[in-house]
Amino acid sequence: AQSVTQLDSQVPVFEEAPVELRCNYSSSVSVYLFWYVQYPNQGLQLLLKYLSGSTLVKGINGFEAEFNKSQTSFHLRKPSVHISDTAEYFCAVSELGGSYIPTFGRGTSLIVHP
Amino acid sequence: DAGVIQSPRHEVTEMGQEVTLRCKPISGHNSLFWYRQTMMRGLELLIYFNNNVPIDDSGMPEDRFSAKMPNASFSTLKIQPSEPRDSAVYFCASRIQGSNTGELFFGEGSRLTVL
Repeated sequence: AQSVTQLDSQVPVFEEAPVELRCNYSSSVSVYLFWYVQYPNQGLQLLLKYLSGSTLVKGINGFEAEFNKSQTSFHLRKPSVHISDTAEYFCAVSELGGSYIPTFGRGTSLIVHP
Repeated sequence: DAGVIQSPRHEVTEMGQEVTLRCKPISGHNSLFWYRQTMMRGLELLIYFNNNVPIDDSGMPEDRFSAKMPNASFSTLKIQPSEPRDSAVYFCASRIQGSNTGELFFGEGSRLTVL
């Protein structure tokens, strides 16, 4: 069965600084990978996804993530954050050939300070 | 385009009362999922339906929880009787069955507080 570990529960950062949110997964088969964002009092919305092809994936709002199969990681990055990026970020994985129901990590709270 | 619609957005009730949460999936989506989000356990899948049929309810915590999907455009999650430990945000999500990616479309959630 697949599992996801988000190594940081909270990441504080100053506005305009770069940020990396870490995600590692475990699976015995090939996977699809996702990052979702949850703004306060809202539902989750898809930020980006890796299905195949280039291991560097670009998403909305200037975020990108890199799939590293050997390290089983899918870290999320942004070169310069804004106050409006303050939110909860969830990494998720679904296994190919199964039900494709994603398993979510516990989430990382990104807090951007002015 | 209308997304997944959940109601109520907020519910405060007393222990022992019945709670019904409602969800309207995106039109054309025939898979529907109920998740629960708490600080302690994160996002947990409670149950999911394909074509209105419950496929996996192994995540439903107890017999106090039940879910139905009487038609393609409506689902309910019922808790009877409710307990304080049921306090959480409950999310409904939908997708097209057979979507071989895993991407889900979430509603804005129903925040339940049981006193």
